Amino acid sequence: AQSVTQLDSQVPVFEEAPVELRCNYSSSVSVYLFWYVQYPNQGLQLLLKYLSGSTLVKGINGFEAEFNKSQTSFHLRKPSVHISDTAEYFCAVSLKAAGNKLTFGGGTRVLVKP
Amino acid sequence: DTAVSQTPKYLVTQMGNDKSIKCEQNLGHDTMYWYKQDSKKFLKIMFSYNNKELIINETVPNRFSPKSPDKAHLNLHINSLELGDSAVYFCASSQDTTGQANYGYTFGSGTRLTVV
Repeated sequence: AQSVTQLDSQVPVFEEAPVELRCNYSSSVSVYLFWYVQYPNQGLQLLLKYLSGSTLVKGINGFEAEFNKSQTSFHLRKPSVHISDTAEYFCAVSLKAAGNKLTFGGGTRVLVKP
Repeated sequence: DTAVSQTPKYLVTQMGNDKSIKCEQNLGHDTMYWYKQDSKKFLKIMFSYNNKELIINETVPNRFSPKSPDKAHLNLHINSLELGDSAVYFCASSQDTTGQANYGYTFGSGTRLTVV
């Protein structure tokens, strides 16, 4: 079975500063990887996904993530955050197999300060 | 047009009651899911249906029963509600036909269930 670990439960960051959210996964087979964002009192929105190909994936709102197979990581980055990026961010993984489910990490709360 | 819509958005009920949450998607997706998000924001899958057929049934109490009348709808019925059922329940759908979540999910905005 696969698992996902988000190493930071909270990340405070000043506006216009860069941010990196760490995600590591565990799986014995190939996986698909995702980052979702949840704004306060809202549902989850897909930020970006890695299915195959280039290991650097660009998503919405200026976010990008890099898949590192040797380190089993999929860290999310943004070079300059805005107040509106304050939200909960979830890393998720699914196996490249039929009938599988999306497994989420515990989430990282990003608080952008002015 | 809302892609995945859930009703109600908020639900406050007493212990022991039976309640239902409805979910509808207008994306033409074949697979639908129910997720539970606890007070610590942890998300865990409960059920998954592909074309009205149950394909994922995690370790969930029998008091929870999903029903899919057609592939655009997946409802969640909960019997004999307990305090520990308080959570936010998210419905989601995906385009894949085999349950592979490789294209990501589209989530509803959630139903906040509070059992008192």
